[in-house]
Amino acid sequence: GENVEQHPSTLSVQEGDSAVIKCTYSDSASNYFPWYKQELGKGPQLIIDIRSNVGEKKDQRIAVTLNKTAKHFSLHITETQPEDSAVYFCAASQFSGGYNKLIFGAGTRLAVHP
Amino acid sequence: DTAVSQTPKYLVTQMGNDKSIKCEQNLGHDTMYWYKQDSKKFLKIMFSYNNKELIINETVPNRFSPKSPDKAHLNLHINSLELGDSAVYFCASSQRDSPEYFGPGTRLTVT
Repeated sequence: GENVEQHPSTLSVQEGDSAVIKCTYSDSASNYFPWYKQELGKGPQLIIDIRSNVGEKKDQRIAVTLNKTAKHFSLHITETQPEDSAVYFCAASQFSGGYNKLIFGAGTRLAVHP
Repeated sequence: DTAVSQTPKYLVTQMGNDKSIKCEQNLGHDTMYWYKQDSKKFLKIMFSYNNKELIINETVPNRFSPKSPDKAHLNLHINSLELGDSAVYFCASSQRDSPEYFGPGTRLTVT
């Protein structure tokens, strides 16, 4: 089955710096890669996703890149702000029969210091 | 508000008890899920229902029984609660080939 590894487990940056979180997956059949942000006491919130037919996707300060050959994908946050502080999860799945089976990475705790 | 909602938000109970967590989504999605998040924040899928039919059933003790009375609701019943069941349980929903949206979670504490 699919296995997703995520690094680093913790990341501390200064406000305004960039943050990069990396994930690798094992199942070459995976074709969907979402990123979730989880704030304290809340549920995971989808922030960006990418499908296997696209190499890069950007939404304002957030971008995701996918390298299918190497089976890794990364989240890039530019101009970080204190409100970006949260736990970030990557996930991988194969859309099948209209539903997902998301396999999550272990999470990265991002701290943005003013 | 359109969303995935769960009740209760907190649940404290003793070992051996039976408890239920309820989930409702008003997003019109066909598929609903239950995830467990342990103390180390690791998120793992437990079950998924599509149009009231069970489609994903991970290696979960049979003390856990999901029930979907209709496609907008997916409840989780847990029998004979154990200390190791303490976790945060998240409900989620999705439409065909689209992202999953998560509820706010239910923190279960078994004493």
